[in-house]
Amino acid sequence: DQQVKQNSPSLSVQEGRISILNCDYTNSMFDYFLWYKKYPAEGPTFLISISSIKDKNEDGRFTVFLNKSAKHLSLHIVPSQPGDSAVYFCAASLLSGTYKYIFGTGTRLKVLA
Amino acid sequence: GAGVSQSPSNKVTEKGKDVELRCDPISGHTALYWYRQSLGQGLEFLIYFQGNSAPDKSGLPSDRFSAERTGGSVSTLTIQRTQQEDSAVYLCASSPWDGNQPQHFGDGTRLSIL
Repeated sequence: DQQVKQNSPSLSVQEGRISILNCDYTNSMFDYFLWYKKYPAEGPTFLISISSIKDKNEDGRFTVFLNKSAKHLSLHIVPSQPGDSAVYFCAASLLSGTYKYIFGTGTRLKVLA
Repeated sequence: GAGVSQSPSNKVTEKGKDVELRCDPISGHTALYWYRQSLGQGLEFLIYFQGNSAPDKSGLPSDRFSAERTGGSVSTLTIQRTQQEDSAVYLCASSPWDGNQPQHFGDGTRLSIL
């Protein structure tokens, strides 16, 4: 039973264009969501987060949108750069208790120069 | 360095052997997590330590897996009688005490069971 799903295993985007990565979840109790970026042989690096009281959070080129009714979040990267090429994981958590993250399976983004 | 440090970075061992993986969290972080990533999969939660509280072991896949955290800092994850399905990247993360701060990950230990 996968509570966090990333249905697109890969995505290719031209440099300068927008990258949109999607994530769906099933547990309505999740109230904290994050995106991590991972390069090969490195650990995941935190990108951006959003709590369930918001529907948008922006940090530079990165914006996360949360649609609670649809149990859907997305990460927008504008403009995309070749250095953004990596695997992106979304994660969900409860703001209480263990705070353990439930991760999706990742989307490999390739930004073409 | 200032980040989460894990050792060894790579470990190859024979089936049936025991292995120990080490994690040094970021100084001052009271919460410590272990995850693993099997090939083609997302990160799977294993165990969580928070201060002096009893650890949350709900993610450990079998009783061959155990973890300790000594002095509220360094943690070791031990896998006894390793099996081939234990092959994965084992990742450690730490965070300040509350859930509003993101977890910071080490680079992981790549474990290969022959």
